[in-house]
Amino acid sequence: GENVEQHPSTLSVQEGDSAVIKCTYSDSASNYFPWYKQELGKRPQLIIDIRSNVGEKKDQRIAVTLNKTAKHFSLHITETQPEDSAVYFCAATRGSGGYQKVTFGIGTKLQVIP
Amino acid sequence: DSGVTQTPKHLITATGQRVTLRCSPRSGDLSVYWYQQSLDQGLQFLIQYYNGEERAKGNILERFSAQQFPDLHSELNLSSLELGDSALYFCASSPSLDQPQHFGDGTRLSIL
Repeated sequence: GENVEQHPSTLSVQEGDSAVIKCTYSDSASNYFPWYKQELGKRPQLIIDIRSNVGEKKDQRIAVTLNKTAKHFSLHITETQPEDSAVYFCAATRGSGGYQKVTFGIGTKLQVIP
Repeated sequence: DSGVTQTPKHLITATGQRVTLRCSPRSGDLSVYWYQQSLDQGLQFLIQYYNGEERAKGNILERFSAQQFPDLHSELNLSSLELGDSALYFCASSPSLDQPQHFGDGTRLSIL
């Protein structure tokens, strides 16, 4: 089955600096890669996603890059703010024949220090 | 508000018992997913339904079962509960099989 490795597990940055979280996946058939932000005690919220036919996607301060050959994708947050502090999960999704199987990374706890 | 409704929000029960968790997907979403999140752990995919049919299984124990009804709401049944089943159970829904998932607020299950 699919295996998604995510690192680092914890990340502390100063407010205004950039944060990068990296994930690797094993199943070359995975074709959709969402990122979720989860604040303490709350539900995961989709923040950005990318499909396998795209190399990069940006939404304001958040960007995601995908390298299909190397099977890794990364989340980039620029100009970090205290409200960016949360746990971030990457996921690799394989969908075909009428199903969508999602494998999540273990999560990265991001702390933005004011 | 994601539009995905999960009930109950909290559930406290004892070992050996059986519980049912309920999920109403967003209006128009045909696909429902169930996840388990233990304390300080990641999200473990349990099972997926699409328009009433089971479509994918993850790390779901045999003591657990689920179904999706004709009105598209879904129920996750957990039986012979053990202490290790204490976790946050999330339901998510999506319009179709390759669209982003939106999560409900979860049901926190505590086994005493």
